Amino acid sequence: QQPVQSPQAVILREGEDAVINCSSSKALYSVHWYRQKHGEAPVFLMILLKGGEQKGHEKISASFNEKKQQSSLYLTASQLSYSGTYFCGTAGDSGNTPLVFGKGTRLSVIA
Amino acid sequence: KAGVTQTPRYLIKTRGQQVTLSCSPISGHRSVSWYQQTPGQGLQFLFEYFSETQRNKGNFPGRFSGRQFSNSRSEMNVSTLELGDSALYLCASSPGGPNQPQHFGDGTRLSIL
Repeated sequence: QQPVQSPQAVILREGEDAVINCSSSKALYSVHWYRQKHGEAPVFLMILLKGGEQKGHEKISASFNEKKQQSSLYLTASQLSYSGTYFCGTAGDSGNTPLVFGKGTRLSVIA
Repeated sequence: KAGVTQTPRYLIKTRGQQVTLSCSPISGHRSVSWYQQTPGQGLQFLFEYFSETQRNKGNFPGRFSGRQFSNSRSEMNVSTLELGDSALYLCASSPGGPNQPQHFGDGTRLSIL
């Protein structure tokens, strides 16, 4: 079952913050986050495993709420380089199931 | 360390033909996954190979098939091409499986006329 990402698109000015959500109707083992710039391959950002941990990567962090089967990606003090489409990928409870990606959130950061 | 290499980068085919796409994973990576990317649909999982065995399969018709060789290189074949097969096909490799970071190639853009 494909996870649902929200919002579908967002426009930010440099320095503003954003939150991207990823929700699933199934029990999750892990959530992956990737960013894809136009014309390029998706690039891995981070993985969160069930247990409700939060991870950080420079000014980009994420949380995983196991009870709600939801993950959120937080981008703080956005930079122009953050522009791109963000995908979450979820894997089921067995831990060895393939990733199912959401449709993506298009983030545009303007000066 | 060389990244994931996909060939060719672009392909133009006509309906009814077949096509083979190639993916060379990062050295040491044993898992290769294939995805179809179309506007508005995101990344749709096709299949995953690990140590020459198909470990997972997505919901695509049997026209889509793949294989993996002993050196972990993988090929994907699509037979009897349809207009709806036009897409960017991405492969991703990881050391052991889908729950490890996936390293994507630049993809093969397939256009069906």
